[in-house]
Amino acid sequence: GAVVSQHPSWVICKSGTSVKIECRSLDFQATTMFWYRQFPKQSLMLMATSNEGSKATYEQGVEKDKFLINHASLTLSTLTVTSAHPEDSSFYICSASRTSGGTYEQYFGPGTRLTVT
Amino acid sequence: DAKTTQPTSMDCAEGRAANLPCNHSTISGNEYVYWYRQIHSQGPQYIIHGLKNNETNEMASLIITEDRKSSTLILPHATLRDTAVYYCIGLIQGAQKLVFGQGTRLTINP
Repeated sequence: GAVVSQHPSWVICKSGTSVKIECRSLDFQATTMFWYRQFPKQSLMLMATSNEGSKATYEQGVEKDKFLINHASLTLSTLTVTSAHPEDSSFYICSASRTSGGTYEQYFGPGTRLTVT
Repeated sequence: DAKTTQPTSMDCAEGRAANLPCNHSTISGNEYVYWYRQIHSQGPQYIIHGLKNNETNEMASLIITEDRKSSTLILPHATLRDTAVYYCIGLIQGAQKLVFGQGTRLTINP
């Protein structure tokens, strides 16, 4: 399968600072990338969908000014958590999708664990 | 996308087949059934997907009932590394958003 990477794998930051997380599709061009958030013992919750060169589409309840998404190329999307607070501490996971041979495929990154102190 | 229902947890002995059920009684005709799993503190991993026919790959088999209202993921020879949360997800053809439910926490016991 295709490989999606995230950087960093974990980050600790102080309350009020901003954190940027990168998501890269390493061996394919992704038509769309997605950002998810997962709190302990809970399932993944979709935050936003982004297409290269256009504005991201945010899910209901997700603040677009707080979670800035930039999708600069077909292989890179970034999520910036602005003015982070302890309640933003979570596991952030990105995924990248493509259609190959008529089959829709979505591959996930390894996740980034954010801790805000 | 159809709502899917899965048991909260299951146990299976190492070396035995693990059969994970999923109900999707409201699935539409052009809706695929996707299976992913998530090992602790990792991103989800794609396992298999199908529409009507049974499917098999190197990881698992997917058995879909004729009326498509339910399916079963089969791990033929479970190992300890198969311990994970398994998600059954319906995805309409042409759609892209995977919506994760609570999944089944599968524990493989030695």
